[in-house]
Amino acid sequence: EVQLVESGGGLVQPGGSLRLSCAASGFTFDDYAMHWVRQAPGKGLEWVSGITWNSGETHYADSVKGRFTVSRDNAKESLFLQINSLRGEDTALYYCAKDTNSGTYYHFDLWGRGTLVTVSS
Amino acid sequence: DIQMTQSPSTLSASVGDTVTITCRASRSVRTWLAWYQQKPGKAPSLLIYQASNLESGVPSRFSGSGSGTEFTLTISSLQPDDVATYYCQQYNTWTFGQGTRVEIK
Repeated sequence: EVQLVESGGGLVQPGGSLRLSCAASGFTFDDYAMHWVRQAPGKGLEWVSGITWNSGETHYADSVKGRFTVSRDNAKESLFLQINSLRGEDTALYYCAKDTNSGTYYHFDLWGRGTLVTVSS
Repeated sequence: DIQMTQSPSTLSASVGDTVTITCRASRSVRTWLAWYQQKPGKAPSLLIYQASNLESGVPSRFSGSGSGTEFTLTISSLQPDDVATYYCQQYNTWTFGQGTRVEIK
């Protein structure tokens, strides 16, 4: 089955860290760029980060630059997001999404169900 | 950064109506634009890519048009299953519009 399954979310205190994971299956993972997109409760979609097929390029939204790090392990067909220095405004459902291209970002044709990150003391 | 503005924020229409959602970019994105549908409690799914190309499996009542800075998503003959929030996204810098919620009157 073609799918993306996120994990690693949870409740964390402000200033804390988490590592989110996304396990891919059913397609050739290393043929595609991958992304993280988040959605705060009751709000719209916000693109967070992207990574090309070979990790040659990574990109970040200004709101997370310097605090979040995207990576991937093609052998394990997995995408990761290391999130540090967490703030209340990082509270959101974090989606993993598959691009339709490998080295340049286009549109996203497969999404996971998301993993919830809650930042609160 | 490129800003994407959708209108309206919410629309209410009757089953069978034709509805149109507009997305405007703060500068030209050529045809590098996609539309996504997000049903309540679900992940988004791709509807339209490259401004006017229908994703495989998406009903033909959905269509997209536009280029440059102005784009439209049209749903002809609105169905109850179309109740959702719709987002445009430009893929120069990957920002989304704020979303348009579609309801049945």
